[in-house]
Formats: sequence, C-alpha cells, structure tokens
Amino acid sequence: DGGITQSPKYLFRKEGQNVTLSCEQNLNHDAMYWYRQDPGQGLRLIYYSQIVNDFQKGDIAEGYSVSREKKESFPLTVTSAQKNPTAFYLCASSYRAKDTGELFFGEGSRLTVL
Amino acid sequence: QKEVEQNSGPLSVPEGAIASLNCTYSDRGSQSFFWYRQYSGKSPELIMSIYSNGDKEDGRFTAQLNKASQYVSLLIRDSQPSDSATYLCAVRRAPNTGFQKLVFGTGTRLLVSP
Repeated sequence: DGGITQSPKYLFRKEGQNVTLSCEQNLNHDAMYWYRQDPGQGLRLIYYSQIVNDFQKGDIAEGYSVSREKKESFPLTVTSAQKNPTAFYLCASSYRAKDTGELFFGEGSRLTVL
Repeated sequence: QKEVEQNSGPLSVPEGAIASLNCTYSDRGSQSFFWYRQYSGKSPELIMSIYSNGDKEDGRFTAQLNKASQYVSLLIRDSQPSDSATYLCAVRRAPNTGFQKLVFGTGTRLLVSP
C-alpha cells in the first residue's frame, strides 16, 4: 500500500541533543513538507521541498534542517538551537509541487524534550 | 487578525443532526480552500476542497464558499459519532509567482453524541 511512513512515532530528547525524524513516501510524489503542530495552534510549515535536491524554508525553519537526496525521503533534524522543540511533527507530500493544498500526511512523530 | 480563523469549539450536535463548521480568512486573493479532518492523536486527512463560489457536495459533506464575504463552511449531514474529530480549514494563497503557501486554521472540535 502506498503511503507516508514517519519514524519514530514517539521520541524523547534531552536538552542539547539533536534528533532526526524520518519520513519516507512511496507515492511517487514530487513535493514533501514538514509541519509542526502545537496545541491551540494551526499547522505551521517548517520546510518544504518541491523537487529532489532542493528545499526551502517555511515559516518556522530556525533550529531545524532537512535534506532531500532521494525523491522518497525527506528527513528532518531538530537541532539544539530549536528553543521549544516539544511538538507533534507531521510530514506530508503532494503529487505535484503546485498541489500544496492536497496533502497526504504521515502518522506523525511526537517529540518530547525532557 | 489571524489569516484563517475558526471557532475552537467544541461544537456539540446530536447524532443525525447537521453540523455546521465555519471558517473566515483575511487574504482576499486566496483561491483554494480545503477541509481536513483530524482524529485525536492522529494526522490530518483531506476530506473536501473547493475553488469556486457556491456549494460542493460529496456524500454527507457539503463545502460552501463565499469569496465576497471571505467565508468558507463545511456542513456534515446526518452526523455520526464517528464524525467526532477536529476539522481544520486551510486556505491557499495565490501569489503571482512561486510557492503557493497553505495556511491552516486552529481547527474546530466537533462532538457528535449518540
């Protein structure tokens, strides 16, 4: 079955540690996105990639990094520079770069900083 | 003023009733509108998209768009307890060039009681 796989589902991190969240899709979608969801707030865009080997900052990119070396993969690293990393992280994809509204989401990764 | 506004709820309706979920947006140039459903602890799922003024029906769901009033709504007929979820309104801007950003509202929580 086609879909988006995020791992891990739950992650605990000590302050000062970098962590990487995995996102893999087998939908053959061109574009991939990382969103962050906090209670009482809408989804906020961290990074997006419209094509392999290219990615752009979203609204809240500070403290995060990404790579897009393969069409199927778009990992997100939460660095120690991110001041408030505890959140629900959602990876999404769309068939074409212009289909930014028609998103397929992974199951999410919940990060907690201890 | 938030770009996309929704009443956080909860909106409580009895089983079988019509649930009406509302969303307003501030960018008059917005062209595309989406409704996502998010069950508690899960990721969002696209359920409706609408691009033109008027109504769009899909099964028990009807999306309504009024661009003059900058208002989009989602009606759920014959509400079921399984419809209990948070409904996210998302609006896509229409820049002259480049990335068409999707902006999410904070969501309305719907509770359907048996």
